[in-house]
Amino acid sequence: DAGITQSPRHKVTETGTPVTLRCHQTENHRYMYWYRQDPGHGLRLIHYSYGVKDTDKGEVSDGYSVSRSKTEDFLLTLESATSSQTSVYFCAISVEGSGNQPQHFGDGTRLSIL
Amino acid sequence: GESVGLHLPTLSVQEGDNSIINCAYSNSASDYFIWYKQESGKGPQFIIDIRSNMDKRQGQRVTVLLNKTVKHLSLQIAATQPGDSAVYFCAERRVGDSSYKLIFGSGTRLLVRP
Repeated sequence: DAGITQSPRHKVTETGTPVTLRCHQTENHRYMYWYRQDPGHGLRLIHYSYGVKDTDKGEVSDGYSVSRSKTEDFLLTLESATSSQTSVYFCAISVEGSGNQPQHFGDGTRLSIL
Repeated sequence: GESVGLHLPTLSVQEGDNSIINCAYSNSASDYFIWYKQESGKGPQFIIDIRSNMDKRQGQRVTVLLNKTVKHLSLQIAATQPGDSAVYFCAERRVGDSSYKLIFGSGTRLLVRP
């Protein structure tokens, strides 16, 4: 267990509303990541963070923003949700101190935008 | 419900047999590879990893083989059990990527017949 908690686990909302997903870790790892998972596309990186207030874009960052004001929390925001953002969202951390620094994942947030 | 891919390649094996799941990776500059297992409704779970300076690594009931010449990775599961039924993903990481970003394959579904 890598100590990752995602909230909420499920959310249904309407097009045009703002949505924020939270990822919380208990082990003070530096690197955190947000992915989305869709049928036929596997896992695609949205944004990642390499420290407090340090973030960068992934391959599918359009329509998403992130913030990291504390080491333990990484927030993903959809400023104005669209139906194309219906997906399952996963947070991951890169586990330091293990040599290869593999990523470990939370259990996801299922987001439906109607 | 299952959200990991409606048209994933599927491998069906008899309980007790060995399973081999294959993955072709894209970049000859990748130096680190991971296999993940994903069960329905859960996040990807780390199984085993391998660096490019190795061609084989063994874990508990699992072996990863790396063929850099043809950019091919395989996961072998010995004495497959019903609990091994899941979707399996390979992931690669590029040399010199200080963000430890991973690039994921699209996955293979493993079904274990009793």
